[in-house]
Amino acid sequence: DIVLTQSPASLAVSLGQRATISCKASQSVDYDGDSYMNWYQQKPGQPPKLLIYAASNLESGIPAGFSGSGSGTDFTLNIHPVEEEDVATYYCQQSNEDPFTFGSGTKLEIK
Amino acid sequence: DVQLQESGPGLVTPSQSLSLTCSVTGYSITSGYYWNWIRQFPGSKLEWMGYISYDGSNNCSPSLKNRISITRDTSKNQFFLNFNSVTTEDTATYYCARAVPYYFDYWGQGTTLTVSS
Repeated sequence: DIVLTQSPASLAVSLGQRATISCKASQSVDYDGDSYMNWYQQKPGQPPKLLIYAASNLESGIPAGFSGSGSGTDFTLNIHPVEEEDVATYYCQQSNEDPFTFGSGTKLEIK
Repeated sequence: DVQLQESGPGLVTPSQSLSLTCSVTGYSITSGYYWNWIRQFPGSKLEWMGYISYDGSNNCSPSLKNRISITRDTSKNQFFLNFNSVTTEDTATYYCARAVPYYFDYWGQGTTLTVSS
């Protein structure tokens, strides 16, 4: 199985500043020029919500302050500027290889 | 709009067999895409369990293949997660989600399953 390692496990960022979350895969999640890495946001009591798909594509309706980058085994989610409603846990997820796997999550708080 | 809603027995005893149901509205599960089960353990770890596709084919995680199956009722636009015997380690919140096909764009609100004697 592909293991996804997220860091940090938690971070506190001031309003208006940048939050950066890393996701490293145990093997490449690229295939035929595409990166099969997605990012989700989960707030307490709610299901995960898709933010970014295929490494860098913003899901419809998601604010432009969210962005994703990376390829191969190294991926990053950026949030800038951080707003109050961004307090949540963020997960990466790969769909390049069965079984699909998730990272362990990064909890974002406001400093 | 596409909506998914899970339902299940809530509390069961170990070794019991059970099914969870995902009811879909706003889109026919035979029209396209892949219909998944994902669970979240206490402590927040997420695990993909498997899917049934629009054409009825299915695929389950190798670690769970001997214990689960995923079936559907197209007349009711529902699909099911079937356990043949649960243990306390199956205690989790179970989500159904649509995959298009490489990311999960619609999720249900989740149903909690507690396995306890």
